[in-house]
Amino acid sequence: NAGVTQTPKFRILKIGQSMTLQCTQDMNHNYMYWYRQDPGMGLKLIYYSVGAGITDKGEVPNGYNVSRSTTEDFPLRLELAAPSQTSVYFCASSYSDQGRGNTIYFGEGSWLTVV
Amino acid sequence: GESVGLHLPTLSVQEGDNSIINCAYSNSASDYFIWYKQESGKGPQFIIDIRSNMDKRQGQRVTVLLNKTVKHLSLQIAATQPGDSAVYFCAERIDTGFQKLVFGTGTRLLVSP
Repeated sequence: NAGVTQTPKFRILKIGQSMTLQCTQDMNHNYMYWYRQDPGMGLKLIYYSVGAGITDKGEVPNGYNVSRSTTEDFPLRLELAAPSQTSVYFCASSYSDQGRGNTIYFGEGSWLTVV
Repeated sequence: GESVGLHLPTLSVQEGDNSIINCAYSNSASDYFIWYKQESGKGPQFIIDIRSNMDKRQGQRVTVLLNKTVKHLSLQIAATQPGDSAVYFCAERIDTGFQKLVFGTGTRLLVSP
């Protein structure tokens, strides 16, 4: 299994540009998440999904959009990029069944700089 | 409120020593506590977790202790190795219909040979 795969790894955006961070997982997890991590800080939840066709806002959703058309994919869209969105973005996934332990598996991260 | 914090931002130890990383939490409704290791340039990696109805759980070279009375969580690493150098995050899981994780800011562990 590849686990959670994110692309791109690095990206520089100009203010006002848009882009999509791709995320896919091959573990058949129901739950998927997008987090951002600012320097020296913990992770903040942007959006999450409990299954295909279902998404909901996390702690810091402003400036982002997501979709979940399949179990495997959970892209994150940045519209009108702002310098405040400079961060490292992590996609993650987990089982929904608590009996399976519910550890959350993270991707390797996408480093985004908005200039 | 919800907050998970760490007492020490950086911990420096010698190779072979035991390391203890501490964490405080504030939400009594949390059902799971999880420790993650994050190496430079990588995503967080699950180390060990503990349910709220347990006091102690052991893994390979790691032990997590949970003291619900004072809302304190610790990660003990035995015989610390240079490869253990990383940032360690504690997180509490709050089950509000989905598994919401609240992360601490992290402790950097530096292991000297």
